[in-house]
Amino acid sequence: RKEVEQDPGPFNVPEGATVAFNCTYSNSASQSFFWYRQDCRKEPKLLMSVYSSGNEDGRFTAQLNRASQYISLLIRDSKLSDSATYLCVVNANNAGNMLTFGGGTRLMVKP
Amino acid sequence: SAVISQKPSRDICQRGTSLTIQCQVDSQVTMMFWYRQQPGQSLTLIATANQGSEATYESGFVIDKFPISRPNLTFSTLTVSNLSPEDSSIYLCSVREMGQPQHFGDGTRLSIL
Repeated sequence: RKEVEQDPGPFNVPEGATVAFNCTYSNSASQSFFWYRQDCRKEPKLLMSVYSSGNEDGRFTAQLNRASQYISLLIRDSKLSDSATYLCVVNANNAGNMLTFGGGTRLMVKP
Repeated sequence: SAVISQKPSRDICQRGTSLTIQCQVDSQVTMMFWYRQQPGQSLTLIATANQGSEATYESGFVIDKFPISRPNLTFSTLTVSNLSPEDSSIYLCSVREMGQPQHFGDGTRLSIL
């Protein structure tokens, strides 16, 4: 079993749609969680950290369920510019060298 | 956050040669890392670059193949040695400052002939 699992997609959605991605992790000791966005042929960029209480940043909402060991990302009112690969990232402790990346979920927003 | 400059941005190399990738950060950072992203795959950590000492390699990566230097808190190099087609990949430098999430350089796209 992979340490961090994501549905690779692609998720094809029309502009304005709401789309949600889930990610599961296997290490119950994981402490920090992030969503990164990676555009084609570009480096990953931090989209948002994921906090236990859930957090929102504009159209993006991230939630964490520690009991079930999954993280979600909800995108409302999808824009064409949201098309990218979304990487679920888990940090087993607060030391940087324990980051584990999921395989990514590809999102394609169409007009 | 720190600005990361990675060079070269891309290269095409012959089998059996080596390529050294440089990572320069505009401020001192605690931790620097090197990742590999093979085509269609996610990121895999190669090693943690330690200032003034040998890098800490992850399982499946060895110093002879991926020698790393980190002479100070703002600079590191990764060499990919004895290149083969399987080394065709994107190599990414990443930094982490205390209390901050990790950030990545633009990456080096390496193709092997």
